[in-house]
Amino acid sequence: QVQLQESGPGLVKPSGTLSLTCAVSGGSISSSRWWSWVRQSPERGLEWIGEILQSGSTSYNPSLKSRVSISLDKSKNQFSLKLTSVTAADTAVYYCARSASGPVDSWGQGTLVTVSS
Amino acid sequence: QPVLTQSSSASASLGSSVKLTCTLSSGHSTYIIAWHQQQPGKAPRYLMKLEGGGTYNKGSGIPDRFLGSSSGADRYLTISNLQFEDEADYYCETWDSNTRVFGGGTKLTVL
Repeated sequence: QVQLQESGPGLVKPSGTLSLTCAVSGGSISSSRWWSWVRQSPERGLEWIGEILQSGSTSYNPSLKSRVSISLDKSKNQFSLKLTSVTAADTAVYYCARSASGPVDSWGQGTLVTVSS
Repeated sequence: QPVLTQSSSASASLGSSVKLTCTLSSGHSTYIIAWHQQQPGKAPRYLMKLEGGGTYNKGSGIPDRFLGSSSGADRYLTISNLQFEDEADYYCETWDSNTRVFGGGTKLTVL
């Protein structure tokens, strides 16, 4: 069974760039279709950020599209998230997730990212 | 894009059953959804994929007490023989070719 593990800084300064990586184990990142990032805050609930297909094609939430980039590193079996120009509103628990055939069917444990000076 | 609407809270007694609802927005009534459970302090957990006709496929290890059903634009999650461990937030999710959407979640309290 595939397992996902997020990693990255827990504190980011305002106007900086949030960078997270999701390590995939128990399966090849090339064997599933979509690899997603979802965040959760009390204000917004669960919010889809975007996803990358195994082919490298990406889709992003329109509300975040100008600031988001998701990439895939098949050699390391991981994928990454970059969110630029962050503000306090980007403070949330960030989850990486997998979708093999439609819905998210595997979630990482989540990592809290706080935007503060 | 589709919008998913859920009641903010529900409650039921230990050992009883509860039916949670997720409603798809107009024009999206045929969409497939998924249900996720989030226990306090934990990551969400995938429960099942549920089609408009009521067919559902559960994730690995999900107890038989969790059932899915559908009627029109409504998608239901029924939990029978409620246990204290079922006290959690329940989210529905749907998707199409270039977007993914979550409902606001229902907080289930087991009395």
